[in-house]
Amino acid sequence: KQEVTQIPAALSVPEGENLVLNCSFTDSAIYNLQWFRQDPGKGLTSLLLIQSSQREQTSGRLNASLDKSSGRSTLYIAASQPGDSATYLCAVDAGNNRKLIWGLGTSLAVNP
Amino acid sequence: NAGVMQNPRHLVRRRGQEARLRCSPMKGHSHVYWYRQLPEEGLKFMVYLQKENIIDESGMPKERFSAEFPKEGPSILRIQQVVRGDSAAYFCASSTAGGTEAFFGQGTRLTVV
Repeated sequence: KQEVTQIPAALSVPEGENLVLNCSFTDSAIYNLQWFRQDPGKGLTSLLLIQSSQREQTSGRLNASLDKSSGRSTLYIAASQPGDSATYLCAVDAGNNRKLIWGLGTSLAVNP
Repeated sequence: NAGVMQNPRHLVRRRGQEARLRCSPMKGHSHVYWYRQLPEEGLKFMVYLQKENIIDESGMPKERFSAEFPKEGPSILRIQQVVRGDSAAYFCASSTAGGTEAFFGQGTRLTVV
């Protein structure tokens, strides 16, 4: 049974820091992995999607890596800003009717 | 091309009433997925539908919950005789038949009082 874990559960950093959010999954047979952002009381914003054949994806200050063999993904945020404050969710698509299996998220606070 | 539209955004129901949540997929998308996010819990898959077909309902509670995606009109998630434990955010996503990514709506926040 696929399980997704995100560490840390919460993170507070000063503005300008580079930071890494971690996601691990128990079954390496995945179709893809996605990182989402969720603001309090709001919807889900897709940040990056990494196909199983890819090692990383980049968008602006965000870089996500994927290591299927070790069951790990990281989301790197460069030069963090207060506007980056949100909950970051990792979700794995095991290819089974495209059901996403979700982590509990990392709650990020970037302090000015 | 509008994104996935969910309505209402917020819904308040008294215990025992029915809740109907609507999801209009992106134009050209024929696949719809519903997820539920309970307070302090992660998102959980509920059901996967194609037009006029339920493909996978393995995440749906056995009683009181049903979903449909008719040939015309939005997908509907129906919760009968709601209880306080149904209070959650319900998210809908849609994709094309061969698409690798599903796109999410803003969610419906159901509060049962």
